Amino acid sequence: SQTIHQWPATLVQPVGSPLSLECTVEGTSNPNLYWYRQAAGRGLQLLFYSVGIGQISSEVPQNLSASRPQDRQFILSSKKLLLSDSGFYLCAWSRDSGSGNTIYFGEGSWLTVV
Amino acid sequence: GQQLNQSPQSMFIQEGEDVSMNCTSSSIFNTWLWYKQDPGEGPVLLIALYKAGELTSNGRLTAQFGITRKDSFLNISASIPSDVGIYFCAGQLNGGSQGNLIFGKGTKLSVKP
Repeated sequence: SQTIHQWPATLVQPVGSPLSLECTVEGTSNPNLYWYRQAAGRGLQLLFYSVGIGQISSEVPQNLSASRPQDRQFILSSKKLLLSDSGFYLCAWSRDSGSGNTIYFGEGSWLTVV
Repeated sequence: GQQLNQSPQSMFIQEGEDVSMNCTSSSIFNTWLWYKQDPGEGPVLLIALYKAGELTSNGRLTAQFGITRKDSFLNISASIPSDVGIYFCAGQLNGGSQGNLIFGKGTKLSVKP
């Protein structure tokens, strides 16, 4: 069966510091991968998605970037965090099967920028 | 951009009552998904719907893909305290490409024992 894992689960970082959140998927190959942000426990905002290694699409301009160095690894990064980057970040995956995809989420990572 | 209108925004019910929530859009979707999110955790998929008119059950949960392909509802029968959480609908646009899953803003469910 497929599993998705992201870490760290919680993170407190000072303004201006770098960020790296990691996500890995097991039990499937060539998945589509996603990073979402959720503010105040509501409303999922798609940040990035990837259909393959090195292929990243950004949905919103922001202080964050994403990379996919391996087929089942997706990394969310920032060089300098802003207070507004605080939130709950969710990694997700779906099968590479065109339409009718079902997205499965990781456990989430709480980021607090202080 | 595309929007999903999910209602109600929140619900306060007594244990044992039935619950109904829905999502509507002006756009046609080819997939409807319903998720539940517990505090501090990622959303968990409850039901996935892929065909217009499809009615699917998962225990006490029932969801339907509207015949117009522009709406979906989720019903919970005989609610229990562990049903508490935020329920999200999500839809994939017809003919869409990757990354175009659109989420509703959630329905926060509170259950009084």
